[in-house]
Amino acid sequence: AAGVIQSPRHLIKEKRETATLKCYPIPRHDTVYWYQQGPGQDPQFLISFYEKMQSDKGSIPDRFSAQQFSDYHSELNMSSLELGDSALYFCASSLGTGAAEQYFGPGTRLTVT
Amino acid sequence: DAKTTQPPSMDCAEGRAANLPCNHSTISGNEYVYWYRQIHSQGPQYIIHGLKNNETNEMASLIITEDRKSSTLILPHATLRDTAVYYCIVRAALIQGAQKLVFGQGTRLTINP
Repeated sequence: AAGVIQSPRHLIKEKRETATLKCYPIPRHDTVYWYQQGPGQDPQFLISFYEKMQSDKGSIPDRFSAQQFSDYHSELNMSSLELGDSALYFCASSLGTGAAEQYFGPGTRLTVT
Repeated sequence: DAKTTQPPSMDCAEGRAANLPCNHSTISGNEYVYWYRQIHSQGPQYIIHGLKNNETNEMASLIITEDRKSSTLILPHATLRDTAVYYCIVRAALIQGAQKLVFGQGTRLTINP
């Protein structure tokens, strides 16, 4: 079965640079979530979208922005990167909202040097 | 969402049943119990969820106490590939909007040969 696709899988950036992470949800899924997992930490919710509208927002820095496009894929834009932004970034998708099961992608490992 | 408490780590012998407990004493009537697991640095994987009744699927069984204040995830015949961090998460079911997952510390389950 088709899964959530994230690209790139690995990304190395320098401080103060920008990065764009992409997420392609499971076909027919209309809801996308972004999570950040720092080294040795549990995943933390950043932001979610339902039908191309922002649905919920967690501890996402102002330097980060995201959107969901008409084909339901989503992009997380990160500017003025800091060393502390080095983490795994997971995208998840679900069909509908409420308490629908979320299916996670393999993640993008971002390293900021 | 209600807070959950899990043991930080557990060990289980390969081929035996792994029973992972979770306390959620402040759970409210419209909140489901979800279980996810994360195998080293991979995206979290949905396992099972339930409201009141016990549930079973091809991966696991979920036993919820009658007062719903605790639950147990059962992996009937654990294999080495079941070594992972297991997260018990409580989520409301009837709220509109994309419901985020709030990951606690989870239980690090190690399956020993």
